Amino acid sequence: DTEVTQTPKHLVMGMTNKKSLKCEQHMGHRAMYWYKQKAKKPPELMFVYSYEKLSINESVPSRFSPECPNSSLLNLHLHALQPEDSALYLCASRLFLAGGSYEQYFGPGTRLTVT
Amino acid sequence: AQTVTQSQPEMSVQEAETVTLSCTYDTSESDYYLFWYKQPPSRQMILVIRQEAYKQQNATENRFSVNFQKAAKSFSLKISDSQLGDAAMYFCAYGGMDSNYQLIWGAGTKLIIKP
Repeated sequence: DTEVTQTPKHLVMGMTNKKSLKCEQHMGHRAMYWYKQKAKKPPELMFVYSYEKLSINESVPSRFSPECPNSSLLNLHLHALQPEDSALYLCASRLFLAGGSYEQYFGPGTRLTVT
Repeated sequence: AQTVTQSQPEMSVQEAETVTLSCTYDTSESDYYLFWYKQPPSRQMILVIRQEAYKQQNATENRFSVNFQKAAKSFSLKISDSQLGDAAMYFCAYGGMDSNYQLIWGAGTKLIIKP
């Protein structure tokens, strides 16, 4: 099972709203990632959690606030977003394989529109 | 710093034919991984194939195979017997061995399958 789930699938929010995106994986992976993806562009790394600790914050504005309550769950709290924050938000988890290799598995994404 | 270049913004191929997508990368590391991801219009990012830099043998997954040329820093993807379901954005990604195992992404190639 290589499933990463994300909710909601679509989200429309105003610039004064507070909302949260949710990501879950039950594969026992100990690293999880948030990416932002604009249309026809590659994903841009936002945050990395390793063993439930934030290990990378790629200079993301404070209106995005990540949270990792446990090893299976990752949240992204949104507040006072701007229209340019409209994008597809992808969650991924990392699996280590035999021999030291690894793979990232992605969720289906949340399409966020900020009005 | 590592970089990944996909020089073909768009490729098209007739159904049932073979197509090759190009990817070059730059790194000073000797140990790393390379990946091809597929993102159909449904937007789910799907891992297609993985190559370990220490392996000389090219990776294959059913109709998908790579031509990995380590000295030339080239990592092309060959899709045989193209099917309509192969239509998607294809991203080449470099995976390092830093503590967070970040992926460095190419700009992507849009693959169109002509029926």
